[in-house]
Amino acid sequence: DTAVSQTPKYLVTQMGNDKSIKCEQNLGHDTMYWYKQDSKKFLKIMFSYNNKELIINETVPNRFSPKSPDKAHLNLHINSLELGDSAVYFCASSPQLTGSYEQYFGPGTRLTVT
Amino acid sequence: AQSVAQPEDQVNVAEGNPLTVKCTYSVSGNPYLFWYVQYPNRGLQFLLKYITGDNLVKGSYGFEAEFNKSQTSFHLKKPSALVSDSALYFCAVRPHNAGNMLTFGGGTRLMVKP
Repeated sequence: DTAVSQTPKYLVTQMGNDKSIKCEQNLGHDTMYWYKQDSKKFLKIMFSYNNKELIINETVPNRFSPKSPDKAHLNLHINSLELGDSAVYFCASSPQLTGSYEQYFGPGTRLTVT
Repeated sequence: AQSVAQPEDQVNVAEGNPLTVKCTYSVSGNPYLFWYVQYPNRGLQFLLKYITGDNLVKGSYGFEAEFNKSQTSFHLKKPSALVSDSALYFCAVRPHNAGNMLTFGGGTRLMVKP
């Protein structure tokens, strides 16, 4: 009964390819997020979705596009992969956009671009 | 814009000794403050949070944190460290009026030696 799940766990691909990472939460939360953790373990938010609407979009290249088919899913699609995209990507969710709620994180997807 | 500083990349402590992981923050207005822990190859797990009220917050696994408004700090503490506490710890902040966009510190690696 995993709360936030991501697939795949590992993804190795070549530069220029297009790939997707899937995320699902079974917590009934309204808001979902994508974070990037770089090789120095620094975490930065990429996107958040609230009730299927993009509400935060940090300075992320437009090669990255989040897609949410429903409230429980937030997938991350990446076009024309570059070496610098290599990182661990975490999905997270929280009950609402506002309030003091903590976020629940998935196990991460380690993306390696060669 | 808010920011979080974790001044120590690594903290070493002997098992059974008290531990402190430091965090200072900068934010406009009142903050929500969080601590998360990341074990190797895992996602982040929520430990505790400060919302308002009592400055001493107790969380999971015997951890606690003290909110100090004048020093803008939120240090994580535990009276007696366990080897199993060895992990990467992240402090995060969010202003009360800024949706749920968390800003994370750079992380502190805690090493507890037997």
